[in-house]
Amino acid sequence: DTGVSQNPRHKITKRGQNVTFRCDPISEHNRLYWYRQTLGQGPEFLTYFQNEAQLEKSRLLSDRFSAERPKGSFSTLEIQRTEQGDSAMYLCASSTLEETQYFGPGTRLLVL
Amino acid sequence: AQSVAQPEDQVNVAEGNPLTVKCTYSVSGNPYLFWYVQYPNRGLQFLLKYITGDNLVKGSYGFEAEFNKSQTSFHLKKPSALVSDSALYFCAVRASNTGGFKTIFGAGTRLFVKA
Repeated sequence: DTGVSQNPRHKITKRGQNVTFRCDPISEHNRLYWYRQTLGQGPEFLTYFQNEAQLEKSRLLSDRFSAERPKGSFSTLEIQRTEQGDSAMYLCASSTLEETQYFGPGTRLLVL
Repeated sequence: AQSVAQPEDQVNVAEGNPLTVKCTYSVSGNPYLFWYVQYPNRGLQFLLKYITGDNLVKGSYGFEAEFNKSQTSFHLKKPSALVSDSALYFCAVRASNTGGFKTIFGAGTRLFVKA
């Protein structure tokens, strides 16, 4: 399977703990996006990478959130000091310059 | 600011009938427009996009959409609905000429096709 993969698929954590999610994009895709989706809503943009450079970050993203794409391949999204409001599905997508974003299955986070 | 509106939470249609899922947008400059579909317990799948060129765009599974610049709309259509089309549909927009890469998604429209 050469699609976008995300790990873990599910994560349950206690409030205040740190969590890290991984995204492996389609290999030739230089663009990578992170989104958050809550029940009944569309995906909400979090951040964007072109190769290893983080070029855009949502103003809604608090300082507790950080993302990296160290070698322009896989990416990680870390949430520090998780809060119950962080419970959501975290989606990763990748694309080439032709704009079509291909989404991974998502990581579902539940903060207790 | 960019925004997308999907005015209908749910659309119900009988199998074999034409379907329309509505989308209007607001963006500075020229838009890139997209439709995605989400089936239960599966990721979002790309259906079609408008970047430039013909206003009528054809996509996967027999879907099409028409870009209407004056009405700032990008409605999704299919001539004959199938029960298997039942899913959650998202419209999305990105401004093409602001230098940003933020893609805004609508809240989604649930399509229910009855046999």
